[in-house]
Formats: sequence, structure tokens, C-alpha cells
Amino acid sequence: DAKTTQPPSMDCAEGRAANLPCNHSTISGNEYVYWYRQIHSQGPQYIIHGLKNNETNEMASLIITEDRKSSTLILPHATLRDTAVYYCIVRLNSGGSNYKLTFGKGTLLTVNP
Amino acid sequence: KAGVTQTPRYLIKTRGQQVTLSCSPISGHRSVSWYQQTPGQGLQFLFEYFSETQRNKGNFPGRFSGRQFSNSRSEMNVSTLELGDSALYLCASSWKGQEAFFGQGTRLTVV
Repeated sequence: DAKTTQPPSMDCAEGRAANLPCNHSTISGNEYVYWYRQIHSQGPQYIIHGLKNNETNEMASLIITEDRKSSTLILPHATLRDTAVYYCIVRLNSGGSNYKLTFGKGTLLTVNP
Repeated sequence: KAGVTQTPRYLIKTRGQQVTLSCSPISGHRSVSWYQQTPGQGLQFLFEYFSETQRNKGNFPGRFSGRQFSNSRSEMNVSTLELGDSALYLCASSWKGQEAFFGQGTRLTVV
């Protein structure tokens, strides 16, 4: 799986958009970009994933650059409950087996009142 | 739909003992994977099971083992516990290689 690089920490004001960057310059053509977050002492929570196109769900939006070497996770209206460590992970979708996530250190997002 | 359930939530063991942790995946999920999280090493992959077969294994000593039952429930075992095995052990289940859903973890303390 390709390696990812994320800033160790970021701050965001409550109610504002949080934009979390991730570099994955060695990503291969069939690897997906996944985002998870972990609120203190809880299990990681899936947020969103994508291959080439931008994706949006009820939690967030994922913007992937055209060359796929970087991506940005956008939380449109951050709340205090969004304070967590956010992990960007690149992996193959292998259809049901060989499921392995390689976590880096992630970005600690702190949402301030 | 019930989420991933891990039991017990907290455990205290003595060095040299062994421990068994349990994970019940989301109904219909056949892939179960295990992770260890420590402050120093972060989240590390232990192993993954699919249809009762270990498909992938991380870089952990043989003291760490696991199994999966026909109903997809999984257990992991750590023998001859060491102080360094103190960690949060997380289980995740997935369906057809898509997103993984994690349990709340078992906090193991070795004294």
C-alpha cells in the first residue's frame, strides 16, 4: 500500500470548514484513498473513500487531485465533536479478502469554540 | 444493525499469563481484522481472517494468534504476556473489501 503524509496537527474554529490535506504521491492506479477518524479512546470510524472522482456523503467531502497524488478531506461545518485524529489511508479494494489498513500517525484536528 | 462488539472492554492480566479477546462482527461481514494500538507504535495490523482462514498477518511474534469461527466471530489470543503487550486491541469487520467498521476495543493492561 502507498505511503501517505499528513500534517501532525491542525486547528479549526467551530462552524467553519476543516480542510485536511494528505499527500500520496506513490499511489498506484487501482488504489483507493480512505479516510478514518479516531475520537479519543474509541475505535476508528470510517468517513469516506474514493478512487478518482470527488466524493461526498453526510459526513464529509473528499477532493482528489487530477493526478491523484494528493487529496483533501473537507468537514463543511466543524463541531467540537469533530475533534479527533484523522487518518488518510491508501489501499487496494480487494473484493472481500486480504483486508489490511496501514495507519500512519494521522492529523490531530482540534476544533475550537 | 448492531455494530462490531468486542469483549471484554477492559482487562488486567499479570506477566506470563495468557489472554483471549473476542470480536463479533457486523452481521453478514466475513472479514475480521485485528489491530494493536499503543502510544509509541500507533495502530498496527495484527492479522485478518476471512471465512475461517487467516489471509494476512502483521509483524508480530508467534505469541499473538487468532481464529475465526463459522459464524464469523473471531478471537485473538496472546500467550506469555509481557508488559509491552499493554494496549488497546481493536477489531474491525468489513464486507466485500469495502470500508471497515471498528469495535470500541479491549483495553488490556499487563502488570
